[in-house]
Amino acid sequence: QKEVEQDPGPLSVPEGAIVSLNCTYSNSAFQYFMWYRQYSRKGPELLMYTYSSGNKEDGRFTAQVDKSSKYISLFIRDSQPSDSATYLCAMTPSGTYKYIFGTGTRLKVLA
Amino acid sequence: EAGVTQFPSHSVIEKGQTVTLRCDPISGHDNLYWYRRVMGKEIKFLLHFVKESKQDESGMPNNRFLAERTGGTYSTLKVQPAELEDSGVYFCASSQVGGAITDTQYFGPGTRLTVL
Repeated sequence: QKEVEQDPGPLSVPEGAIVSLNCTYSNSAFQYFMWYRQYSRKGPELLMYTYSSGNKEDGRFTAQVDKSSKYISLFIRDSQPSDSATYLCAMTPSGTYKYIFGTGTRLKVLA
Repeated sequence: EAGVTQFPSHSVIEKGQTVTLRCDPISGHDNLYWYRRVMGKEIKFLLHFVKESKQDESGMPNNRFLAERTGGTYSTLKVQPAELEDSGVYFCASSQVGGAITDTQYFGPGTRLTVL
C-alpha cells in the first residue's frame, strides 16, 4: 500500500467552478503537508503548505488538513484555464526533509 | 534570482551506457535534493545533500547511481551502467536552511532520461 494516495484524474471542470483535490495518507507521523502545481515539462512549484489540522487560505486557494482522518484537500475557487496543470500533494514527517509525494491529479479547466 | 537549473533537459542513451545529470541549485542554498519520477508513478526521493555532505541517501535504488556535490555547489548524478528501468524524469530541488516548514524546496525543470 502506498503511503500517499491521490486520484490521478484527469479532472475536467468549466471555468469558474470550484475544484476539490484530495489526498489520503497512512503514516500518522506526517506533520507537514504541501501542495505543488506542475505545468507540462516544468518542475513542481509550491502552492501552499500547512502544518496543523484546519484550513489555510491564500487567494483563490484553500488547503485543508484533517489529521484524524489522514486526509488533505486543496480547493480552488473561481478556477481559470491557467489553473490547468497537475497538482501534487506532498508530506513529510517532522525532522526529515524527504518529501513523500502523491501521484498527482491532472486538472483541466475548460474556457 | 535564477532558479534551480538542470542539464541536460533530455537524454537518450542505450542500455549499458553511462549518463551524468547536473543540477545547479539556487545560489546560497545549502540543501540539495534529488528525486525521480518513473512513468505512472509518484515522485520519489533519492538523496539529500547538506553542502557537500550526503545527509540521507536512503532512496538511491542501487550502487549504479552515484551522486556528488563538489564544493557544496552544483551536484551530479551519474548512472553507470544504465538499465531500462532507470528511465524517468530526474528532479533536483534546493532549499536554504532545511528542516523548517518555511524552508521551501524549489524544484528544477527536471532531466528526462530515456534508456533504450
